[in-house]
Amino acid sequence: GAGVSQSPSNKVTEKGKDVELRCDPISGHTALYWYRQSLGQGLEFLIYFQGNSAPDKSGLPSDRFSAERTGGSVSTLTIQRTQQEDSAVYLCASSLDGTSGVREQYFGPGTRLTVT
Amino acid sequence: KNQVEQSPQSLIILEGKNCTLQCNYTVSPFSNLRWYKQDTGRGPVSLTIMTFSENTKSNGRYTATLDADTKQSSLHITASQLSDSASYICVVRENNAGNMLTFGGGTRLMVKP
Repeated sequence: GAGVSQSPSNKVTEKGKDVELRCDPISGHTALYWYRQSLGQGLEFLIYFQGNSAPDKSGLPSDRFSAERTGGSVSTLTIQRTQQEDSAVYLCASSLDGTSGVREQYFGPGTRLTVT
Repeated sequence: KNQVEQSPQSLIILEGKNCTLQCNYTVSPFSNLRWYKQDTGRGPVSLTIMTFSENTKSNGRYTATLDADTKQSSLHITASQLSDSASYICVVRENNAGNMLTFGGGTRLMVKP
């Protein structure tokens, strides 16, 4: 079956430009997460969507980062005025729901963002 | 601050050998602990999820242990294969955090023929 998909797989952008990263979760999954993995670093939580509830934005590193989830399915992570330190792999994950702590999260392949 | 520490950072073993990866955490209150395998250029894939009451859980050649008293977990890989070469990430969830997981830095394992 279809897993979590992300696009683009690679994105190179100039410093100061805006970028949009897309995530298509597994159909039927109500919970969606965005993470960032910088080179040599562990995964860092960014934002979490659960159904129609207000998202948990506590992991967003600055107000240049924002995310939307339209219709409870596809999500877009937007980074405005990109900086070189934004270069990382951005991973999206989904789960059946986020309210049970044991629910498995399924990860997408990630988008590798390089800011030059 | 909640932390998850993994050791070693990297490990090289010969095909067919066993190895054990360690994870120590300070996350409290504890909900569950997960081990993920992440191949280069791919997203993490879950190997095991362990709750407070579980001490051991196996998934094929992978066996995870959990000691909630000492806040330690290990992942044992038996009869390693070349395809086991990957990063192994320990992830711990708080019991009342709602959504946030704390990720370890991972152990990069290389299995050589």
